[in-house]
Amino acid sequence: SQTIHQWPATLVQPVGSPLSLECTVEGTSNPNLYWYRQAAGRGLQLLFYSIGIDQISSEVPQNLSASRPQDRQFILSSKKLLLSDSGFYLCAWSVGGNYGYTFGSGTRLTVV
Amino acid sequence: AQKITQTQPGMFVQEKEAVTLDCTYDTSDQSYGLFWYKQPSSGEMIFLIYQGSYDEQNATEGRYSLNFQKARKSANLVISASQLGDSAMYFCAIGGGSEKLVFGKGTKLTVNP
Repeated sequence: SQTIHQWPATLVQPVGSPLSLECTVEGTSNPNLYWYRQAAGRGLQLLFYSIGIDQISSEVPQNLSASRPQDRQFILSSKKLLLSDSGFYLCAWSVGGNYGYTFGSGTRLTVV
Repeated sequence: AQKITQTQPGMFVQEKEAVTLDCTYDTSDQSYGLFWYKQPSSGEMIFLIYQGSYDEQNATEGRYSLNFQKARKSANLVISASQLGDSAMYFCAIGGGSEKLVFGKGTKLTVNP
């Protein structure tokens, strides 16, 4: 069966520090991968999605970047965090938009 | 472009009663899918139910059912016999020709004892 792992679960980082959030999927190949951010009490904002290695689309201009070093690994990064980067980050995978997503357990990031 | 509208920021229901969470959508795709997710306070997104645009019958999954009215472009979630554990955020989403799901802003459901 397919599983998705996301870590860390919680992170407190100072302003200006780097960020690396990792997401891996097991039990499937060539998944579509997604990074979402959710501000407190708000909806989901799509940040990046990838339909294959070296195929990453950015939805919102920001100081974040995404990489897919392996087929089932998706990494969200920042060189210098801003206060506004605080939020709940969710990774998800899918076989296609019409098939829904399976989400990771999320990372709660607080930038101080 | 696809769009989901959830007009109820918050809903309250008494335990053991039924509740309907509204969702309307807009899409130019002929084939699409509608999804409902539950997000408890822990933050995880839990898939609840799926309705395909060509499905003639409303989807059901245990206490969850989807009231699909294609002509009205609505896909309301009905939760029967509410339980305290149903208190959560609920998101409606649509997927179609693109690789992405489009989510609504969500409805916060509170189940009162």
